[in-house]
Order: sequence, then structure tokens, then C-alpha cells
Amino acid sequence: GIQVEQSPPDLILQEGANSTLRCNFSDSVNNLQWFHQNPWGQLINLFYIPSGTKQNGRLSATTVATERYSLLYISSSQTTDSGVYFCAVDPGGSYIPTFGRGTSLIVHP
Amino acid sequence: GAVVSQHPSRVICKSGTSVKIECRSLDFQATTMFWYRQFPKKSLMLMATSNEGSKATYEQGVEKDKFLINHASLTLSTLTVTSAHPEDSSFYICSARDWASGSLNEQFFGPGTRLTVL
Repeated sequence: GIQVEQSPPDLILQEGANSTLRCNFSDSVNNLQWFHQNPWGQLINLFYIPSGTKQNGRLSATTVATERYSLLYISSSQTTDSGVYFCAVDPGGSYIPTFGRGTSLIVHP
Repeated sequence: GAVVSQHPSRVICKSGTSVKIECRSLDFQATTMFWYRQFPKKSLMLMATSNEGSKATYEQGVEKDKFLINHASLTLSTLTVTSAHPEDSSFYICSARDWASGSLNEQFFGPGTRLTVL
């Protein structure tokens, strides 16, 4: 099956810093989503981005489907950004999602 | 829009009992719902895909007689953990796809159910 690799696995930032999270996938995909899992376990939709670039406030994402990767940018990080960020893809020809292992982010005040 | 609820949020039960978890799409129709299991500090593991009006499709290694899934309507899917044992203790999360939205394949997640089996 498709492999989804996220990096870095762990990230510690000072409030106000910028960061880039990466999601590599081993095959073509139909869909790609980025999620933020907060400390209470809720997964929050950040971006639905099978290709192209999107921005939402301090967050933006870019997916280059032909090169099989997606990037999530967090600017001016805040303590509320802490949590785990997951990338999930549907492999080409399937609509069954596969999750990466996530990036655990801690933002210190 | 695109809100998914899950009930209960937390349940503690004795070994050998069965537990039912409900997943509802509140403001859209979900022809497909997914059930995941998550262990501490781990990623989400897909257990099964639930399609309205048909039998669920289970992932390899998931016991379908242990984890009963029913998707009787376009807004409700249930997961029943039968004869629960301590090793079934975990965080169970459902998601739903909103086929009527512009993003046909975007998943929306419920808040999860933490199951503890004593």
C-alpha cells in the first residue's frame, strides 16, 4: 500500500517562530488533507489540498502532486498551535484514507 | 457546517460487557463513515469503512465479530465492541464524508470516544 511519511516527528518552537511540516507519499493520490489533533483528541480540518496552494490566516499549505509531497507552513506560532499535525491521503484508485504518523508540535510561551 | 458528533465521549466498562458508540453527521448526509482506533502517541489506524445500507468493509486484522458496525441511515453509524476486554481499551474516532459539498472527499471527524475496559 501507499506509504505516507511525515517530518519532523517532533518539533519544539518558541512562540512567534515559523515552521514547515512535510508530508511525503509514495504513490499518486486522489485526495490530501491536513489535520490538527488538539490535546483533547479532536481532529480539526486544516486544509483539503490534493494539489496547489491554500492559505488560511497564519497557516498555508502547498501540495505538489507530481513530486508526491505536501508542505504545511505555520507562521508566528502560538501556544494554541500545540498538538499533533496529521497528513492523510487517499491513494489513486481508492477512497480509503491512509494517515501519516504525524508531527508533534509544542509551542512554548 | 460539516459537524460530526460522537457519543459517549468516555466510557468505562467491565470486562465481558458490550459497548455501543454512536457517530452522527449533524448537518449533512454521509454515505460513507470511517471508524479509527488510536493508541497513545500513535497515528490513527483505520478499522473499517461503513457505507449506508451495506455491510462494513473491515481492514485486515480487525475482527468483524468483535467490532460490529451498522450504518442504518445517512446520518448514523454505530460501532459495538462486543465482549470487551482490557486490550480493547483505546480511543475510537469516527469520520464522515460529505458527498454533497464541493470537496466531495473531505473527511470530518467526531470528537472521539475513550473506552476503558476494567
